[in-house]
Amino acid sequence: DAGVTQSPTHLIKTRGQQVTLRCSPKSGHDTVSWYQQALGQGPQFIFQYYEEEERQRGNFPDRFSGHQFPNYSSELNVNALLLGDSALYLCASSLGLVGEKLFFGSGTQLSVL
Amino acid sequence: AQKITQTQPGMFVQEKEAVTLDCTYDTSDPSYGLFWYKQPSSGEMIFLIYQGSYDQQNATEGRYSLNFQKARKSANLVISASQLGDSAMYFCAMRENYGQNFVFGPGTRLSVLP
Repeated sequence: DAGVTQSPTHLIKTRGQQVTLRCSPKSGHDTVSWYQQALGQGPQFIFQYYEEEERQRGNFPDRFSGHQFPNYSSELNVNALLLGDSALYLCASSLGLVGEKLFFGSGTQLSVL
Repeated sequence: AQKITQTQPGMFVQEKEAVTLDCTYDTSDPSYGLFWYKQPSSGEMIFLIYQGSYDQQNATEGRYSLNFQKARKSANLVISASQLGDSAMYFCAMRENYGQNFVFGPGTRLSVLP
């Protein structure tokens, strides 16, 4: 039973560039959430996708956008990268909008130089 | 206002002993869920235990138990018989009123000593 998979594992970009991160949810899950975890902090909610629509969004600018595909996989896009966007980006999946618990991937470590 | 507080940035425990990691939360919603996750150096967040606000009994999952004191708004994690593999970051999190996002605390780094 495949868990949540994320790609790539690590990524290095420069300021102003754009990046796309990918996530495949755990088998049987239909909801994907994205979290940003800065060094030494807890994860912060970016947004959640269900039925290919963004259902809820945290306090992140429009530079952060996403997409969910019919097979429930998801992408996180960040435009005009800033140094402060350097973080571990975690994808989490659940079943339904109010899944009891989230299953997380190992994350994508993004470094912006 | 911070919704999840974890006042212990770091904790040490001797192997085979029990340890309590503190978590207090702030919410005005009557319905909420409390969670503990473990994050080893690999980065993946691993679900440990869940407590619903209406649950009468404290949650237990193997060596993990949650000391839920609703009136004090605390949800401490107790790990019994610590193992070296328990060394990791531990995060307390809350989901309010069937909301779709989890709010995480700043975490506690647990180090288990041989």
